[in-house]
Amino acid sequence: EDQVTQSPEALRLQEGESSSLNCSYTVSGLRGLFWYRQDPGKGPEFLFTLYSAGEEKEKERLKATLTKKESFLHITAPKPEDSATYLCAVQAGAGNNRKLIWGLGTSLAVNP
Amino acid sequence: GAVVSQHPSRVICKSGTSVKIECRSLDFQATTMFWYRQFPKKSLMLMATSNEGSKATYEQGVEKDKFLINHASLTLSTLTVTSAHPEDSSFYICSARATSGANTGELFFGEGSRLTVL
Repeated sequence: EDQVTQSPEALRLQEGESSSLNCSYTVSGLRGLFWYRQDPGKGPEFLFTLYSAGEEKEKERLKATLTKKESFLHITAPKPEDSATYLCAVQAGAGNNRKLIWGLGTSLAVNP
Repeated sequence: GAVVSQHPSRVICKSGTSVKIECRSLDFQATTMFWYRQFPKKSLMLMATSNEGSKATYEQGVEKDKFLINHASLTLSTLTVTSAHPEDSSFYICSARATSGANTGELFFGEGSRLTVL
């Protein structure tokens, strides 16, 4: 069964304390892995798309990497404004069977 | 990035009434829109996929007569929760994809609508 698992469920960091969030997946026919940020009471905001193992994407303090089994979202020297829930989604299948499988997210809190 | 506007952001209604939520793509034409439901500390749950000018495709377990979806134009989709009950209280989020055939992961989301049914 296709599955996406994110860990940890929650993470609390001090400002400037770098860390990584994990998204592991088991799907047949991976066609892309996506990271989103969601603030409380808001819709998700698109961050990155990764398509193949070895690929990396960066945006400000965030860097996403992908292997054949998992993806990491690295946060370097986080700031309080990086506090949010980070969602991972995987697209599997092809044609009319394409669908997004969502993880439960990692709730990140960065203390000043 | 593309902007998707969702309205209302919050709505409170009495049990048995119907509520309509609008989702608009402001700066692009959305051939496909998706409606999600999200429970606290739960993942996004896809309810239905709507393509402009055709009937929506509902996910298993979602009642199409209860959650009416209309995608009459390339910039507007609506979700109507009919005869709402307290168990329909939830956070509803729409999203849009700009071009058909494109990767479905790069979705642009609305701000969400918090529905509370008394």
